Amino acid sequence: EAQVTQNPRYLITVTGKKLTVTCSQNMNHEYMSWYRQDPGLGLRQIYYSMNVEVTDKGDVPEGYKVSRKEKRNFPLILESPSPNQTSLYFCASRDRGNGYTFGSGTRLTVV
Amino acid sequence: SQQGEEDPQALSIQEGENATMNCSYKTSINNLQWYRQNSGRGLVHLILIRSNEREKHSGRLRVTLDTSKKSSSLLITASRAADTASYFCATDKSGGSNYKLTFGKGTLLTVNP
Repeated sequence: EAQVTQNPRYLITVTGKKLTVTCSQNMNHEYMSWYRQDPGLGLRQIYYSMNVEVTDKGDVPEGYKVSRKEKRNFPLILESPSPNQTSLYFCASRDRGNGYTFGSGTRLTVV
Repeated sequence: SQQGEEDPQALSIQEGENATMNCSYKTSINNLQWYRQNSGRGLVHLILIRSNEREKHSGRLRVTLDTSKKSSSLLITASRAADTASYFCATDKSGGSNYKLTFGKGTLLTVNP
C-alpha cells in the first residue's frame, strides 16, 4: 500500500529536549515536505526536499532542521523545542503535478 | 498573501443534500487540488483539476475551475454522515522549484443524519 509513515503519533516533551519525528514514504517520490497545522493559521510549510541531499526552507523554518540522506526518509528535528512549537505536524510526499500523500500526523506538545 | 481561501468557513446540511464549497486564489496556478481531513487526521487527496480544465468528476464529487475568476468549487452530491470533515483547497503555482502546495484554511462540513 502506498503510504507515508510518521512516528510517533503523539509526543509530549519538555522545553529544550531534542526530538526527532520520523517520516518514511514507499512511493519513490522525489519531493517531500513538512507542514504544521495550527488553529486559525491552517497548514504552513516548514521545510521541503526536492531530492536526496537537497533541502530548503519553507514558510516557517525557524527552530527546525531536516535531513534527506535517503530518498524514502525525511526526518524533522527539533534541536531545542519550545512551547510555541506545540502543533500538529504532517509529512507529505508527491510527484510534480500530482497530489500529496500525507502521513497520519504527529501531535506534539512542548511543556 | 493567503493563496486559496475557502468559503464558507463552516457548512451544516442534512444527509442526502448537496454540499458546495468555494475556493478563491490570487496568482496563476498549474493546478488546484481538494483534500479532506477528518478531525486530527492526515489530509486525503480527493481530486486535482489542471488549469486548462473547467470541470472534473470523481464519484459524488464535482469540481469546477474558473481561471478568469481565480475560483473553484467542490460539489458533494447526496451527502452522507461519513462526509463530515474539513475540506481544503490547495493551489500548485506556476513555475518555481518548490513543488509546494499552498492550502486554504478549510471549510468544516457537518452532515447531520
